[in-house]
Formats: sequence, structure tokens, C-alpha cells
Amino acid sequence: SQKIEQNSEALNIQEGKTATLTCNYTNYSPAYLQWYRQDPGRGPVFLLLIRENEKEKRKERLKVTFDTTLKQSLFHITASQPADSATYLCAPANSGNTPLVFGKGTRLSVIA
Amino acid sequence: DAGVIQSPRHEVTEMGQEVTLRCKPISGHDYLFWYRQTMMRGLELLIYFNNNVPIDDSGMPEDRFSAKMPNASFSTLKIQPSEPRDSAVYFCASSLGQAGYTFGSGTRLTVV
Repeated sequence: SQKIEQNSEALNIQEGKTATLTCNYTNYSPAYLQWYRQDPGRGPVFLLLIRENEKEKRKERLKVTFDTTLKQSLFHITASQPADSATYLCAPANSGNTPLVFGKGTRLSVIA
Repeated sequence: DAGVIQSPRHEVTEMGQEVTLRCKPISGHDYLFWYRQTMMRGLELLIYFNNNVPIDDSGMPEDRFSAKMPNASFSTLKIQPSEPRDSAVYFCASSLGQAGYTFGSGTRLTVV
């Protein structure tokens, strides 16, 4: 069956450092993968979409990589700030017509 | 645009009662999704619609759950009768094609 694994433990990081979150998937051949941010008591917010033919995508301090051989996506936040503290969810999708299935997310805490 | 609007924000009900959750998607979006989130299971897809037509309801846990989308600007998720194990946060999301999803703020349902 399809499985999405994200760092199960919370990730604590010092302000200013780079945070790296991992998303591994099995029994998927995703055409693309999306990353979302979720704050307590709120719905997930879309951050980035990366397609299978893209190795890397950047948006401001965010960088996402997508390795279809390793079946893995990495999500980086450079120069992290306490305001980046949230839960980050990944969601691979096999095609443009299939709905997103989300990982359980990784909780990131950036300590000042 | 006010985003995806869900109501009520919180709902506390007694076991056996009928519960109706409401969602207004973003105007112009052609997909609407209902998800349920718990600590144990994360975000689970319940059902989704494309152009108001239900496409896949295989995630609906039991016949006690039903969803409708009578027009492009409104959807409901109904639970009848409700049970304590239905307690969760229910999210509605909409999208244009399979671009990034826009989630509502969710309805926190507590069944006592």
C-alpha cells in the first residue's frame, strides 16, 4: 500500500540555522509533490509544488528537492526564524487527477 | 477573496445527534475536498468533488457519513448518528485543477 513517512519526531533548531525536513514515500510514482505548513488551530497552507522533472525548487528562504530514484523529497528553510515554527506536511500525487494524500507532518520548533 | 469558509468553527454534540458541517469554497475553484484530522491518523481524505460531482467517497468511514455539493458555492458533510469516535477536526479545501489546495479553518467536532 502507499505510504508517506515524515520525521516522526519534532525537530528543534537554533534560529539562523537551516532546517531540513524529510519526506519519504513508497508505492508511489508521483507526478508532483506539494509541501504545506500548518499552524495550531488552522488549516494547512500551500507552500510549494515540485514536479517529477524538477530536481529543485526555491521560494524565498525555502528550497525543495525531489529525488524520484530515492523516493524522497527534502524541504529546507534557510536562516530559520521563530516564526517558521509550525508543522510541515508533504503530499505526493500520482497524477493531476488524484487527490492529495498527506504525510502526518513534522513539527518544527525554531528556538531564539 | 475571503478564502474557504467553514462553519461552525466548533461543534459539541451528544452521541446519536445529527451533525452538519458547511463549506463555501473559493469562487472559480473546480475541486472540493473534505478531510478529517486526528493526532493518530493525521489528515484523511473523506470525499472529493469535481464540478459539484462526487468523484470518490471511498474515504467516508461509514454510511453514517454523507456529503453533498448542490452548487459550486456550497457543500455539506453530514454525520447521522454521530459517535464519540467521530470527534476530530474536519477540513474543507478547494483547488483549481490540482494546483495548491486552499484549506478552510476547520470545524472542531466533539461528540460526547
